[in-house]
Amino acid sequence: GIQVEQSPPDLILQEGANSTLRCNFSDSVNNLQWFHQNPWGQLINLFYIPSGTKQNGRLSATTVATERYSLLYISSSQTTDSGVYFCAVNTGGFKTIFGAGTRLFVKA
Amino acid sequence: DTAVSQTPKYLVTQMGNDKSIKCEQNLGHDTMYWYKQDSKKFLKIMFSYNNKELIINETVPNRFSPKSPDKAHLNLHINSLELGDSAVYFCASRPEGKDEQYFGPGTRLTVT
Repeated sequence: GIQVEQSPPDLILQEGANSTLRCNFSDSVNNLQWFHQNPWGQLINLFYIPSGTKQNGRLSATTVATERYSLLYISSSQTTDSGVYFCAVNTGGFKTIFGAGTRLFVKA
Repeated sequence: DTAVSQTPKYLVTQMGNDKSIKCEQNLGHDTMYWYKQDSKKFLKIMFSYNNKELIINETVPNRFSPKSPDKAHLNLHINSLELGDSAVYFCASRPEGKDEQYFGPGTRLTVT
């Protein structure tokens, strides 16, 4: 089956810093989503981005489907950005595969 | 106006007991899922239902039995609970023709 790899596994930032999270996938995908799991465990939809670039405030994402990767950019990070960031892909049908996540801690 | 809701939020029980977790979505979606998140935060799909029919069963022990009484509900019943069942269980839904999923708040199950 398809493999989804996220990097880095862990990331510590000083508040105000920028960062890039990466998601590589081993096969063609129909869609890709980025989620943020906050410290209270809630999974929040960030982007639905099978291809192209989207921006939402300080966050943006780019998926290059032909090269099988997606990037999530966080600019001017804040302590509330802490948590785990997941990418999840779907290759068609009803099954979604999650990456192992990037654990982000933003220091004040 | 919660989109995907789960009850209970926390569940602590002893080994060998039987318990249920309920999920409801008011988004009008046709497809619903159950995921298990282990202690290392890894999320894995367990079941998927589309229009009340089971579509995916990811080699989950048959002690786990999902039930979908209607399109808006997907409940998870677990028999003979084991220590290894301790995890956070998430319900999710997605609309017809789209792959974007929406998650519930999770149910933290602790088996002692």
